[in-house]
Order: sequence, then structure tokens, then C-alpha cells
Amino acid sequence: DGGITQSPKYLFRKEGQNVTLSCEQNLNHDAMYWYRQDPGQGLRLIYYSQIVNDFQKGDIAEGYSVSREKKESFPLTVTSAQKNPTAFYLCASSATASNQPQHFGDGTRLSIL
Amino acid sequence: QQQVKQSPQSLIVQKGGISIINCAYENTAFDYFPWYQQFPGKGPALLIAIRPDVSEKKEGRFTISFNKSAKQFSLHIMDSQPGDSATYFCAASGGFQKLVFGTGTRLLVSP
Repeated sequence: DGGITQSPKYLFRKEGQNVTLSCEQNLNHDAMYWYRQDPGQGLRLIYYSQIVNDFQKGDIAEGYSVSREKKESFPLTVTSAQKNPTAFYLCASSATASNQPQHFGDGTRLSIL
Repeated sequence: QQQVKQSPQSLIVQKGGISIINCAYENTAFDYFPWYQQFPGKGPALLIAIRPDVSEKKEGRFTISFNKSAKQFSLHIMDSQPGDSATYFCAASGGFQKLVFGTGTRLLVSP
């Protein structure tokens, strides 16, 4: 079955530590996205990528970094510069970046130890 | 101009009733309006979407109504069922603006 796989499902970060969230898709989609979800705030865009080796900042990119070395993979690193990282992180993909349905993974919940 | 305002924040409906969730936008360049359904611990799933060339779109028990002049669109869930209990997000995109999400509505359908 085609879809988006996010791992791990739960992740704990120590102070000063960088952590990387994995996102893999087998939908052959060009565009991929990372969102952060906090209670009562909907989904906020962190980074997105329309093509391999290219990505753009979203609305809340500070403290995060991404890479897009392969079409099917778009890992997100939460750096120690992100002072409030506790949230539910969602990865999505779409055929293109313009007005196409986005398909989501089941998320990674990040907490601080 | 990038905001999508969604209401109500939470909603309780009896089984068999109609659930109505409303969204409003300001950016007139928006031309794609999807609704997503999210269950706890899961990612959002596309429920239904509309483009502004039609005023209504129906898929099963789910209907989107779109009012271009008022810059509003709404989701109606007919014959609501306990299995519909979830959080619903409206969203909008268009022009160079990526998908912008509303803040979500938590729906509870009581048996």
C-alpha cells in the first residue's frame, strides 16, 4: 500500500540534544512538508520541499533543519535551538506543491526529558 | 490575509443530527478548500475538497458549501454517527500561498 511512514512514533529529547524525525513516502510525490501541531493551533508549516535537493522555510522554521537528498525521504532535525520542541510533528506529501491533496503520515510525538 | 478562521472550537451533536463547521478566509487568491478529518494519534486524512467554481459539493454524508462573495465555506455532516467523532480542519491554498489550516473543531457525536 502506498503511503507515508513516520518514525519513531514517540521520541524524547534531552536538553541540548538534536533529534531527527524520519519521513518516507512511496507515493512518488514530488512535494513534501513538515508541520507542527500544538493543541488549539492547527497545523503550522515548518519546511517544505518541491523537488529533490531543494527546500524552503515555512512559517516556523527557526530551530529546525531538513534535507531532501532522495525523492522519497524528507527528514526533519529538531535542533537544540528550538526551545519549545514538545509537539506532534506531521509529515505530508503531494503530487505537486500547488493545490493538490496532501497525504499525511501518522506523526511523531516529541517530548522533552 | 493568510489566516483561515474556523468555528466552533468544539461541537457536541446527537447521533443522527447535523454537524456544521464554518470557516472564513481573507485571501482572495485562495482557490482550493479541503477539509481534513483527524482521529487521536493519527495524521489528518483528506475528507472532501472544493474549488470556487462550484457552490456545493457532496460526498456521501459530507457536504461542503462555499460562498465566494462572503469568503466563507462550511462542512455539513448529515446523520452524524459516533464514528464521526474526530477533529476536523478546514484549509485553503492558492496563488503562491501554501496550504493554510484552520485551528480545528473537535466534534463529539453522542450515542
